[in-house]
Amino acid sequence: GESVGLHLPTLSVQEGDNSIINCAYSNSASDYFIWYKQESGKGPQFIIDIRSNMDKRQGQRVTVLLNKTVKHLSLQIAATQPGDSAVYFCAESRSYNTDKLIFGTGTRLQVFP
Amino acid sequence: DARVTQTPRHKVTEMGQEVTMRCQPILGHNTVFWYRQTMMQGLELLAYFRNRAPLDDSGMPKDRFSAEMPDATLATLKIQPSEPRDSAVYFCASGLGTANTEAFFGQGTRLTVV
Repeated sequence: GESVGLHLPTLSVQEGDNSIINCAYSNSASDYFIWYKQESGKGPQFIIDIRSNMDKRQGQRVTVLLNKTVKHLSLQIAATQPGDSAVYFCAESRSYNTDKLIFGTGTRLQVFP
Repeated sequence: DARVTQTPRHKVTEMGQEVTMRCQPILGHNTVFWYRQTMMQGLELLAYFRNRAPLDDSGMPKDRFSAEMPDATLATLKIQPSEPRDSAVYFCASGLGTANTEAFFGQGTRLTVV
């Protein structure tokens, strides 16, 4: 069936290191992807997005890579900080607007000093 | 600053009672989503609206759940009767409904049915 999933449920990194969070999606018709960050007790917060006609997009300390051949998405966080500790979700959509965002199961990022 | 507002933040109710959760989308957003988050199922889309009209509610148990938008500034999610398995965090999100724009989430309503 259609699904968006994550390879690693928990990722532990040392402060200052780079983090890579992975996501696999199964529907090749998906054309818009978003990474969300969710801190404890809060709603998901937008981090960065990418359209299917792009392979890479950079933001402030974050980079999203999209490999359509293997239907894989990754979020790279440079110089990880304690404030980056949260659960990260990838979400997919099959249109260019906000229709039906389908979320993956989430990866918990723990940053140690 | 603009944000999605959900009320109540927490709700504890007894099984069989009616529960109503409310959401005020960001002004100007024409798309509203209701999600449910549990440890087991993650974030599940229950329903979403565009311009107050329901576009998809296939993720919502129809026998006990209902979602409405009485006006552009209010979305409601009602459970009647509530059951312990409905215990979860319910999120509302809103968006512009245009190309390449994300959904903005509220803080959620944590529902506990005992």
